[in-house]
Amino acid sequence: ETGVTQTPRHLVMGMTNKKSLKCEQHLGHNAMYWYKQSAKKPLELMFVYNFKEQTENNSVPSRFSPECPNSSHLFLHLHTLQPEDSALYLCASSQASRASGRTTDTQYFGPGTRLTVL
Amino acid sequence: AQSVAQPEDQVNVAEGNPLTVKCTYSVSGNPYLFWYVQYPNRGLQFLLKYITGDNLVKGSYGFEAEFNKSQTSFHLKKPSALVSDSALYFCAVRPYNFNKFYFGSGTKLNVKP
Repeated sequence: ETGVTQTPRHLVMGMTNKKSLKCEQHLGHNAMYWYKQSAKKPLELMFVYNFKEQTENNSVPSRFSPECPNSSHLFLHLHTLQPEDSALYLCASSQASRASGRTTDTQYFGPGTRLTVL
Repeated sequence: AQSVAQPEDQVNVAEGNPLTVKCTYSVSGNPYLFWYVQYPNRGLQFLLKYITGDNLVKGSYGFEAEFNKSQTSFHLKKPSALVSDSALYFCAVRPYNFNKFYFGSGTKLNVKP
């Protein structure tokens, strides 16, 4: 185990549903990330939080809404998704420098949530 | 633009033979380079990284990687492959002055008995 947990592991939802993905890290890190993994494509960075502040939104549609209430928890709220949003959603954490906000260390990943949008 | 290329979708190797999984990158400035492995239904697991210093980096499970600045490559290697090494391997790069990782599209490694 990497110290990063994600729930649920699998989620099937209709296009009109609202659901949330949860990520929790037990590593004492202060930076957290959401990635989307689709088959045969590079991992797509979605959001970055450093010290609970969102520092990156990689042109993600507004139907994905992140929330970071503290440095250990990260949520991804989903609403009115499309079938093409079906993918594996990965959470990761790392240690960032408070002075520069930059992460100099390795990212540790959770097991992912396999999302299917019908 | 920053990017990572893994030119092979799949690499097949017999158990006991050496393996190489290729990675090239394009970044501005000095890169930090990483390799991750993903087993089915699991997240990515860190294997090794290059930050500075010796160009040959040793990591988990007997893997190593060589940083080649002139060829902008960071190929993953192992002297003797195991069937249990079969998995999806991702190369990643982070420009030293950027708080963002760029991942390749992954290479599926198949090790046959």
